Amino acid sequence: GAGVSQSPRYKVAKRGQDVALRCDPISGHVSLFWYQQALGQGPEFLTYFQNEAQLDKSGLPSDRFFAERPEGSVSTLKIQRTQQEDSAVYLCASSLGQGWPGYTFGSGTRLTVV
Amino acid sequence: AQTVTQSQPEMSVQEAETVTLSCTYDTSESDYYLFWYKQPPSRQMILVIRQEAYKQQNATENRFSVNFQKAAKSFSLKISDSQLGDAAMYFCAYRSPGANSKLTFGKGITLSVRP
Repeated sequence: GAGVSQSPRYKVAKRGQDVALRCDPISGHVSLFWYQQALGQGPEFLTYFQNEAQLDKSGLPSDRFFAERPEGSVSTLKIQRTQQEDSAVYLCASSLGQGWPGYTFGSGTRLTVV
Repeated sequence: AQTVTQSQPEMSVQEAETVTLSCTYDTSESDYYLFWYKQPPSRQMILVIRQEAYKQQNATENRFSVNFQKAAKSFSLKISDSQLGDAAMYFCAYRSPGANSKLTFGKGITLSVRP
């Protein structure tokens, strides 16, 4: 597609519920990143994929967070047993990779845990 | 680890005037990239300008220019002829070279433009 697409745009979850957030990167983009942006803060790195391989998951805050990109295109970020502190905007970005410095971001999913 | 600091939480500028947004960073690397991103209420991060650390010349993109001071680890953004559409959050970001490198963002600054 022409841009990075994320869905849903908004998600309200009850505490303890599992959620799945989807990212559809630009076709042909090798690199895919997930970021978490708390209200009034800058985005913070969660995890990185190169094609289907998850090369860095050092930013995932707990084992309740899990990400996958099984075919090297669409990626899903899953959060199990959501808690209020998980409320944030989750941004996805993709890049051509191979050291290409430019990223294209999606519009994010705003998750609210009640 | 690299850090990015934006110490001004908010700034305001009169339409058609010039404003400068400040950013400092800390790194032990000699080669890296610096970015300014704009985030409007739509939430999408939009790249405003990019600077490669090995380039001495400051980057310029139309009304946007940077003052890159490598020794001082300073990277400020100047917006000339400010427009109402420039109102947004602006984030300074750092990236190491290499395909796997992530962006490290500052906390951002909210820019308002007065008509």
